[in-house]
Amino acid sequence: GESVGLHLPTLSVQEGDNSIINCAYSNSASDYFIWYKQESGKGPQFIIDIRSNMDKRQGQRVTVLLNKTVKHLSLQIAATQPGDSAVYFCAENMPGSARQLTFGSGTQLTVLP
Amino acid sequence: DGGITQSPKYLFRKEGQNVTLSCEQNLNHDAMYWYRQDPGQGLRLIYYSQIVNDFQKGDIAEGYSVSREKKESFPLTVTSAQKNPTAFYLCATGQGRGETQYFGPGTRLLVL
Repeated sequence: GESVGLHLPTLSVQEGDNSIINCAYSNSASDYFIWYKQESGKGPQFIIDIRSNMDKRQGQRVTVLLNKTVKHLSLQIAATQPGDSAVYFCAENMPGSARQLTFGSGTQLTVLP
Repeated sequence: DGGITQSPKYLFRKEGQNVTLSCEQNLNHDAMYWYRQDPGQGLRLIYYSQIVNDFQKGDIAEGYSVSREKKESFPLTVTSAQKNPTAFYLCATGQGRGETQYFGPGTRLLVL
């Protein structure tokens, strides 16, 4: 079946550098994507979303890029800070699916001092 | 979280016991969801409800039950039929299919 996956389970970056977290999806019909941040022992926190009619969307220090040609989604975090250390995962919505959102397993981002 | 509360934060279950996890929201969202999260894995959908008095099974509904008598509340019961209940349980709400889901702080269930 279709699923959301992540290229790397862990990512370490130096404080102040930019981070890029990737997500591959296999369902070309998916029309809505969300990035979540989950700190240890807490519930996931919404970061940013994007619909399939867009290629790029920017938030505060975060940018999501959507490449529908290769079914790839990425989250860019500018000037990564220690508070950005968390698990990041993407979710996709397939139109007409009763499954609601489908979630990837996540990437652990560690910010090094 | 914010407008979504889950209680308790930690819950201990004895073998053969049913336990109920609470989820309450004041966001006026129509849809509510229950997910299970195991270490190193993604979220798996247990049950969801689009409107009051209606709910649907997700991918791993066996051993669980829910009710949706009020818009604000969607309790999850982990029954004795669930043989491996130890996990982090997350409640979410949203405006419906194709919309953002917002999560509560979670309940960690442990088996004694």
